[in-house]
Amino acid sequence: NAGVTQTPKFQVLKTGQSMTLQCAQDMNHEYMSWYRQDPGMGLRLIHYSVGAGITDQGEVPNGYNVSRSTTEDFPLRLLSAAPSQTSVYFCASSSVGGETQYFGPGTRLLVL
Amino acid sequence: DQQVKQNSPSLSVQEGRISILNCDYTNSMFDYFLWYKKYPAEGPTFLISISSIKDKNEDGRFTVFLNKSAKHLSLHIVPSQPGDSAVYFCAATGNQFYFGTGTSLTVIP
Repeated sequence: NAGVTQTPKFQVLKTGQSMTLQCAQDMNHEYMSWYRQDPGMGLRLIHYSVGAGITDQGEVPNGYNVSRSTTEDFPLRLLSAAPSQTSVYFCASSSVGGETQYFGPGTRLLVL
Repeated sequence: DQQVKQNSPSLSVQEGRISILNCDYTNSMFDYFLWYKKYPAEGPTFLISISSIKDKNEDGRFTVFLNKSAKHLSLHIVPSQPGDSAVYFCAATGNQFYFGTGTSLTVIP
């Protein structure tokens, strides 16, 4: 049971480039979400999904895109990277109605 | 607007003493509260939780207290150990999870 996995662990992008952060879970959780962690800001919700084919915006969705074609995978796309998107990104999953989220190890993104 | 707040960015405690981490929230509709612990370069891990119908929950050295009238919860760690040094996030759930900004706890041997 790998839990929640994220790739890559670290990425450097130039302004304007696009990329996809990968997230996968093997716990058959319906609920998946993406957070960004910035100094002094805590964890802020970007997008979340309550099941395959269903996504919704969180607190800070601008500049990010998500899709959920399978229960296991929830990729996060940066369409045109900006320096303000430099952050650490965490993916998390839980069962619907479950109170506890399980987090991946994070992806550290630097946008130059 | 921050719905869950942790007003102390850092806390230092001597080993063996009590650590008290505080958290305030604004939304009275939150029905579940959690504490997560985070070490550097790792994802947060679940520590302890409490339902809004309770005012206390214990798990070993960790106790969470909830004061709904004050919209306040706290995490008590007794006795504190050096391995407890980490960043602690409180979180609340309604239709989604809301996290506080975190408190960095240092337990001094």
